Amino acid sequence: AQTVTQSQPEMSVQEAETVTLSCTYDTSESDYYLFWYKQPPSRQMILVIRQEAYKQQNATENRFSVNFQKAAKSFSLKISDSQLGDAAMYFCAEVANFGNEKLTFGTGTRLTIIP
Amino acid sequence: DTGVSQDPRHKITKRGQNVTFRCDPISEHNRLYWYRQTLGQGPEFLTYFQNEAQLEKSRLLSDRFSAERPKGSFSTLEIQRTEQGDSAMYLCASSLGWLAGVEETQYFGPGTRLLVL
Repeated sequence: AQTVTQSQPEMSVQEAETVTLSCTYDTSESDYYLFWYKQPPSRQMILVIRQEAYKQQNATENRFSVNFQKAAKSFSLKISDSQLGDAAMYFCAEVANFGNEKLTFGTGTRLTIIP
Repeated sequence: DTGVSQDPRHKITKRGQNVTFRCDPISEHNRLYWYRQTLGQGPEFLTYFQNEAQLEKSRLLSDRFSAERPKGSFSTLEIQRTEQGDSAMYLCASSLGWLAGVEETQYFGPGTRLLVL
């Protein structure tokens, strides 16, 4: 069974600074995808970034990048130049490719941006 | 291009009543998923459909829960004889599905927040 662990329930960062959110996972699958989703207060879940496990290169989307360490089963999210709109719950998730297709989520990290 | 939509957005009901939620996926998406999210937790998988076929159901989905996707488009999730423990956010997501040759990125709707009194 897959498990996803986010060990930081809350994080805060000064506006314009950089913050890193941690995520570790455990899966027996050899082929899988990893995701970071953002859930602003009372708003819907939005995909931030995704990583295919077979790719060694870390994914990047504008100010968002990941540090994917496959051997360590670690998948952290770095947010550069933090903005007030980045304040949200961030969820790490994993899905096995050609597997049972369900996303397994972590418990989330609440990110606060300090003006 | 519209995203995933869900109706209603909020539902308050009394214990023992039946409720039904609707999800409209992104139009070309073959797969549709239901998740449940309780306060302070990440979403938990309930069930998913490939077109009209329901392919997997979680142990969380008791006999009081039923989901349908009759024409492979919209889906409904019904909870019969609601209990206070059913209070949660019910999220719907859709994806193209790997058969389409693309990745399994799931796109979420805004959710239906259920409160059982």
